[in-house]
Amino acid sequence: DIVLTQTPLSSPVTLGQPASISCRSSQSLVHSDGDTYLSWLQQRPGQPPRLLIYKISNRFSGVPDRFSGSGAGTDFTLKISRVEAEDVGVYYCMQTTQFPPGFGQGTKVEIK
Amino acid sequence: QVQLVQSGAEVKNPGASVKVSCKASGYTFTNYAMHWVRQAPGQRLEWMGWISPVNGNTKYSQKFQGRVTITRDTSASTAFMELSSLRSEDTAVYHCARAMGATTIFGVDHWGQGTLVTVAS
Repeated sequence: DIVLTQTPLSSPVTLGQPASISCRSSQSLVHSDGDTYLSWLQQRPGQPPRLLIYKISNRFSGVPDRFSGSGAGTDFTLKISRVEAEDVGVYYCMQTTQFPPGFGQGTKVEIK
Repeated sequence: QVQLVQSGAEVKNPGASVKVSCKASGYTFTNYAMHWVRQAPGQRLEWMGWISPVNGNTKYSQKFQGRVTITRDTSASTAFMELSSLRSEDTAVYHCARAMGATTIFGVDHWGQGTLVTVAS
């Protein structure tokens, strides 16, 4: 199975400052169709996960443009350009390129 | 709008089974695959399996093979996840999550609110 490793596991950030989360895959996430099915999810306290980014860099409907995704192959990054209070939560990368689908271990974003 | 509404919390004895439902609305149920994902306390999200609502085809994580059964009732736009031979380590919040397309490679875009299953004697 593909293993997704996120760093850091915890990210204390000052309001208005940027945050960056890395997700590294044990194997390439490029599908045979040429696309890369790497998503980013946000889970606020007490809520279910919410889709932020799909296929590396596509923002889902309603997601603020301060969230952006990048990367290729095995290395991916989620960036928050200016952290707001509502961004507190745990962020997960998820791969669906290969069976079985899997998740990173999560990165907790909190305000300093 | 797309909504996935799950059944309520359950408390089960070790060795018992639990069946969680996920009622979908706001879209054509048979057009999108459905995943089941669980989250044990303090643990990462864990994928369990998925179903194709159009034909009922399923695929399960090897970890749960033999213990999990995912089904659907297309007339009720509802998916079900049944987990048997429960043990304390199965205590978790169980989520249904809609795939972005008919197959699972597209990722998930909507999640149910979660159902807490507690296994305790």
